[in-house]
Amino acid sequence: DVKVTQSSRYLVKRTGEKVFLECVQDMDHENMFWYRQDPGLGLRLIYFSYDVKMKEKGDIPEGYSVSREKKERFSLILESASTNQTSMYLCASSRRARPSGKLSGYNEQFFGPGTRLTVL
Amino acid sequence: RKEVEQDPGPFNVPEGATVAFNCTYSNSASQSFFWYRQDCRKEPKLLMSVYSSGNEDGRFTAQLNRASQYISLLIRDSKLSDSATYLCVSFFLNKFYFGSGTKLNVKP
Repeated sequence: DVKVTQSSRYLVKRTGEKVFLECVQDMDHENMFWYRQDPGLGLRLIYFSYDVKMKEKGDIPEGYSVSREKKERFSLILESASTNQTSMYLCASSRRARPSGKLSGYNEQFFGPGTRLTVL
Repeated sequence: RKEVEQDPGPFNVPEGATVAFNCTYSNSASQSFFWYRQDCRKEPKLLMSVYSSGNEDGRFTAQLNRASQYISLLIRDSKLSDSATYLCVSFFLNKFYFGSGTKLNVKP
């Protein structure tokens, strides 16, 4: 059974704290993603990694950084947490698209259960 | 402007009804499309991929219209268990773009 796990389901932090969110996948996927999901805004991509030590900014990278030292693990870091970073954080992984760029259901994204972060 | 736009709903339908959702996408070069289902306080899960020729999976039918840049999902004979939020997704250059979701409530 394929699996993406996240280190915490619920997290409460104070403004200014450094926060680490960990994600691990056991499917040997090349691509890993961090999203945040807020009511009415849907899922927004924070960062994306297509290989070990490789990363690419998503739509809302400000205030976040990432680390991918091993293929199975992708970490999201909030350097100095702020109240506007209160959100649901979702990690996902997928196989790299084939050279033609086409995908099939075989290349679907698998999501972790999410971390609900509250910054006070 | 968001890459993928959906009607947020909610769509309130009785059991057994047929319901259809549409979504539009703005990048004409988008390579692939998907429908995901998300239950309350759960992670999204793939419902089905959307192929150019249209495809069916049981009670679910997905269609793609590249000329008009929209994707549709048809659910026939709705079940109570179909109540969820349905996310429309496009794919381009290894990134997935999600709509905000359409909420479906199926009532007894």
